[in-house]
Amino acid sequence: EAGVTQFPSHSVIEKGQTVTLRCDPISGHDNLYWYRRVMGKEIKFLLHFVKESKQDESGMPNNRFLAERTGGTYSTLKVQPAELEDSGVYFCASSPGDFNYNEQFFGPGTRLTVL
Amino acid sequence: QKEVEQDPGPLSVPEGAIVSLNCTYSNSAFQYFMWYRQYSRKGPELLMYTYSSGNKEDGRFTAQVDKSSKYISLFIRDSQPSDSATYLCAMSRGGGGNKLTFGTGTQLKVEL
Repeated sequence: EAGVTQFPSHSVIEKGQTVTLRCDPISGHDNLYWYRRVMGKEIKFLLHFVKESKQDESGMPNNRFLAERTGGTYSTLKVQPAELEDSGVYFCASSPGDFNYNEQFFGPGTRLTVL
Repeated sequence: QKEVEQDPGPLSVPEGAIVSLNCTYSNSAFQYFMWYRQYSRKGPELLMYTYSSGNKEDGRFTAQVDKSSKYISLFIRDSQPSDSATYLCAMSRGGGGNKLTFGTGTQLKVEL
């Protein structure tokens, strides 16, 4: 079974440009999460989808970030316009079901560098 | 103040040593406690999870949770060079959302 995949693995952009990150969860997983790790800090939650609906977007830093999950399958995270402080590693995770606890399976991450 | 505190290390031990990793937390609402292992340029991989207080053992790994002290630990017995990685503690309240709150991670190196 394929794991969580993320594309691209690395993106280098100029400040002010737009970048779109993609996550393909494990097939059949209704829950999809986005997390971010900036240099020297802990991994932080950004938002959570259940199928195509945003369940919790309390971690989104500001309105320059837009996440979508059309059709409840893959998800995209767009940063527009990118700022220097957006640099970091963006992780996607997915989990099945609607239980009290579900293991979250993480993708390898997208390393974003904003110059 | 961070919700979860974890010593970033680095921690270097000889092969075969017992490794002790730990985290403290401040939010008493956390019910699920996880340990993830992350190799360089990879995503976090779940090692173990524990619900509420208690111990859990899986092979060379033992996880302990003491909710009264808000303190969790991971012990690795007979450490191997392949255990060299960053170990992340993570916690959640459970329920529908289940978002994870992470520590910064401890970098471990097991030397031959």
